[in-house]
Amino acid sequence: AQSVSQHNHHVILSEAASLELGCNYSYGGTVNLFWYVQYPGQHLQLLLKYFSGDPLVKGIKGFEAEFIKSKFSFNLRKPSVQWSDTAEYFCAVNSNTGGFKTIFGAGTRLFVKA
Amino acid sequence: DTAVSQTPKYLVTQMGNDKSIKCEQNLGHDTMYWYKQDSKKFLKIMFSYNNKELIINETVPNRFSPKSPDKAHLNLHINSLELGDSAVYFCASRPGGADYGYTFGSGTRLTVV
Repeated sequence: AQSVSQHNHHVILSEAASLELGCNYSYGGTVNLFWYVQYPGQHLQLLLKYFSGDPLVKGIKGFEAEFIKSKFSFNLRKPSVQWSDTAEYFCAVNSNTGGFKTIFGAGTRLFVKA
Repeated sequence: DTAVSQTPKYLVTQMGNDKSIKCEQNLGHDTMYWYKQDSKKFLKIMFSYNNKELIINETVPNRFSPKSPDKAHLNLHINSLELGDSAVYFCASRPGGADYGYTFGSGTRLTVV
C-alpha cells in the first residue's frame, strides 16, 4: 500500500540549531512531493514542493528539501531555526500510480526553544 | 480576501444531530477536497470533487455526504453525528494538475458531545 512515513514525531531544538526532518514514501511511478507547515491553531500552508527538475528545492522561510529517488526520501532542512518555526510539519506525496491522490504523513511536531 | 473560506470555524453539537460545513474558494481552482484531521493531527482525505464531479470517495461512513453546487463550493453534510466525528475538518482546493499544492481553508473544529 502507498504510504508516507515521517520518522520523527517530536523534535525539540534550540534557536539557531540546524533542522532536518525525515520523510520517506512507498510509491512507484512519477511522484510529486510536498511539505506543509501548520502553525499552532492555524491551517496548513505549503512550504515547498518538488515535481521535476533540480532535486534540491527551496521554499519559503528559508526551508529547503532534497528529493533522493534511490532512497524514496524527501527530507526537509533549515540551516538555522527560529522560535517562530515552532509548528507541525507534514510531508505529502501523490503519484500517477495512486491516481494522484495526495497522502499525508503523520506529521512532525517541532518545538524551538528561545 | 480569503482564498478558501470555511464556515463555521467552530461547531459544538449533540450526538444524533445533523450539521453542515460550507466551503468556498475564490481561486478559480478546478478541484476541491475535504480532509479530516484527528486529535493526533493525522490528516485523512475524505472526498474530492473536480468541476462538481466526485472523483475521490474514501472509506467514509455514508452519514457524510458532500455536495458541490458549482466548482467554487464544496459543502459537507453530516447526519446522525457521533462522538468519533469530533475532529478538525479542512477544505482545500488545487488547480487541475497534481503537481500543484493545496490551498487549505482555516478549518472547522467539530465537537460532538
